[in-house]
Amino acid sequence: KAGVTQTPRYLIKTRGQQVTLSCSPISGHRSVSWYQQTPGQGLQFLFEYFSETQRNKGNFPGRFSGRQFSNSRSEMNVSTLELGDSALYLCASSLRGTVLSQYFGPGTRLLVL
Amino acid sequence: AQKITQTQPGMFVQEKEAVTLDCTYDTSDPSYGLFWYKQPSSGEMIFLIYQGSYDQQNATEGRYSLNFQKARKSANLVISASQLGDSAMYFCAMREAPGGGSEKLVFGKGTKLTVNP
Repeated sequence: KAGVTQTPRYLIKTRGQQVTLSCSPISGHRSVSWYQQTPGQGLQFLFEYFSETQRNKGNFPGRFSGRQFSNSRSEMNVSTLELGDSALYLCASSLRGTVLSQYFGPGTRLLVL
Repeated sequence: AQKITQTQPGMFVQEKEAVTLDCTYDTSDPSYGLFWYKQPSSGEMIFLIYQGSYDQQNATEGRYSLNFQKARKSANLVISASQLGDSAMYFCAMREAPGGGSEKLVFGKGTKLTVNP
């Protein structure tokens, strides 16, 4: 069974641009969660989607948004990029959203210049 | 709100020796779950071990064991017989369930483990 895949793996953007990251969950998994990892703030929860609905959201500004498609693939979007958005963005999938059965993807490294 | 504290930014251990990575937690929930993850330089989070708050015994998974001391609110990870491939960041995390079936992980700041030959 294929694992969680994230595309692209690396990305360089400039301030003010927007970016879209993609996450394909393990086949059959309906929940996708996103986390941001920075050296200063560590790992922080962004949001969780289950069956195309956002069930939970972390404490991030409205510039961070996401969605989930009917095939459970998820995208997250960051508009008006800031230097502080440079981070490793990790997504994780699970069958129903339980973290004990959650698998992480390899992450997307975003650098904002 | 739950909080995880890892006080060791970095740890060094000789190959084949055992090492303990510290984790303390704070929660008001009587039911909770604690996790340890390994993150190599590639970035992927690898699940190592889980301990439920009502589990009677300390969790073990191969060379990994969790020293769970509920009264002290600590959940230290013990790696026995360290290998060079164990060099990585290690994160302690706690499950938070705000309701509606959703769960998330609250992570500590991590400990960078270096295994020396």
